[in-house]
Amino acid sequence: QKEVEQNSGPLSVPEGAIASLNCTYSDRVSQSFFWYRQYSGKSPELIMSIYSNGDKEDGRFTAQLNKASQYVSLLIRDSQPSDSATYLCAVNRENNDMRFGAGTRLTVKP
Amino acid sequence: KAGVTQTPRYLIKTRGQQVTLSCSPISGHRSVSWYQQTPGQGLQFLFEYFSETQRNKGNFPGRFSGRQFSNSRSEMNVSTLELGDSALYLCASSLAPGRAGELFFGEGSRLTVL
Repeated sequence: QKEVEQNSGPLSVPEGAIASLNCTYSDRVSQSFFWYRQYSGKSPELIMSIYSNGDKEDGRFTAQLNKASQYVSLLIRDSQPSDSATYLCAVNRENNDMRFGAGTRLTVKP
Repeated sequence: KAGVTQTPRYLIKTRGQQVTLSCSPISGHRSVSWYQQTPGQGLQFLFEYFSETQRNKGNFPGRFSGRQFSNSRSEMNVSTLELGDSALYLCASSLAPGRAGELFFGEGSRLTVL
C-alpha cells in the first residue's frame, strides 16, 4: 500500500463546476496535510494546509480532513481553465517526514 | 521578497560523474529540503536540513548527500551518477520548525545522465 494515494486522473470538469480531489494516507500518526498545485513544467506551489478534522475554506478552495478515515480532500468551486494542473496531496508524518502522492491531473474545459 | 533559487537549472552529465546542485532559500527560512521528481516515481523526499544539521533522510542510497551552510544555503551532491538519476531535483524552504510542511519550492535543477 502506498503511503499517500491519489487517483491519477485525468479528472475533467466543465468550467464553473466543482472539482473534487481525493487522497488517502496510511500512517495514522500523520499530523498535518497539504495540497500543492503543479502546472506543467513548473514547480509545486502550496495552496492549502489543514491540521485538524473538518473543513477549511480559502476562497474557491475547501480542504477536508477526516483523520479517523485517513482521508483528505480538496474541493475547487467554480472551476476555471486556469485551475488545470496536477494537484499533489502531501502528508507530514512524524519527524517532518513529508510524503507526496503521485498527483491528480485536473483539466477544466471551457 | 526573492523566492527559492536553484542553480544550475539544467545540466547534462555522463554515467559515473558526480554533480553538485545549489539552493538558496527564501530569506529568513532556515529549513531546506530536497526532492527528486520523476514521471514514474513522482515527488520523493531526499533529505531535510535545519541549522546546518540533517534532520531527516529519505530512502536513497549513500551516493546522494547534502549539506547546509550557516547562511541556510544548501547543496546536494550525487556521486557515481547512474542513468536512473535523471530527474528534476527540487529544493524547498520553510519556516521550520513551526511551519514544517508548508514548503516553498524553487524552479528545480533538471539533470540528464547519459
